[in-house]
Amino acid sequence: DGGITQSPKYLFRKEGQNVTLSCEQNLNHDAMYWYRQDPGQGLRLIYYSQIVNDFQKGDIAEGYSVSREKKESFPLTVTSAQKNPTAFYLCASSQGVFIYNEQFFGPGTRLTVL
Amino acid sequence: GQQLNQSPQSMFIQEGEDVSMNCTSSSIFNTWLWYKQDPGEGPVLLIALYKAGELTSNGRLTAQFGITRKDSFLNISASIPSDVGIYFCAGQAQGAQKLVFGQGTRLTINP
Repeated sequence: DGGITQSPKYLFRKEGQNVTLSCEQNLNHDAMYWYRQDPGQGLRLIYYSQIVNDFQKGDIAEGYSVSREKKESFPLTVTSAQKNPTAFYLCASSQGVFIYNEQFFGPGTRLTVL
Repeated sequence: GQQLNQSPQSMFIQEGEDVSMNCTSSSIFNTWLWYKQDPGEGPVLLIALYKAGELTSNGRLTAQFGITRKDSFLNISASIPSDVGIYFCAGQAQGAQKLVFGQGTRLTINP
């Protein structure tokens, strides 16, 4: 089955710790994205990547970091610098970024900071 | 920056009723997408629109790309319990690298 997987589904972290969220896709998509969703809110873009070894900041990149070493993988690290990291994190992918940017989402990871 | 206004924010309807929601933009978009999100899950793409005036159906769902290219509408006919969830619109302007998302419409259905 083609799709996007995110792991883990639930993640707990102590304040001051970095944590890495996994995102893998087997859709052969070039572009990948990370969004943050807070309760009752829409989606806010954290980072995106058009191709391997390249990524750009989204609207709320502070306190987050990413890497894109493989086409299939786009992990997100939530650093201790992120002041309010408790949220639902969504990964998405699309064929490209400029046209026909139909983004397909993974199931999400809910991060809770204790 | 670009903003999307999605309305209504929430809807409470009876099973079997038709539903209508819309999104308006402050700028022209070349792409409109509609998603549905169930609680605790990722959004699922329902309909994609690429041409002004385009009307596209997916089962009981119908979406339209507004003629002005600044709005889009989603209609659901004969609602059923599994239609419950949050519906998001998203748009992309020509040359833009990012989608802009609406705040969502929460649909609740009374059986």
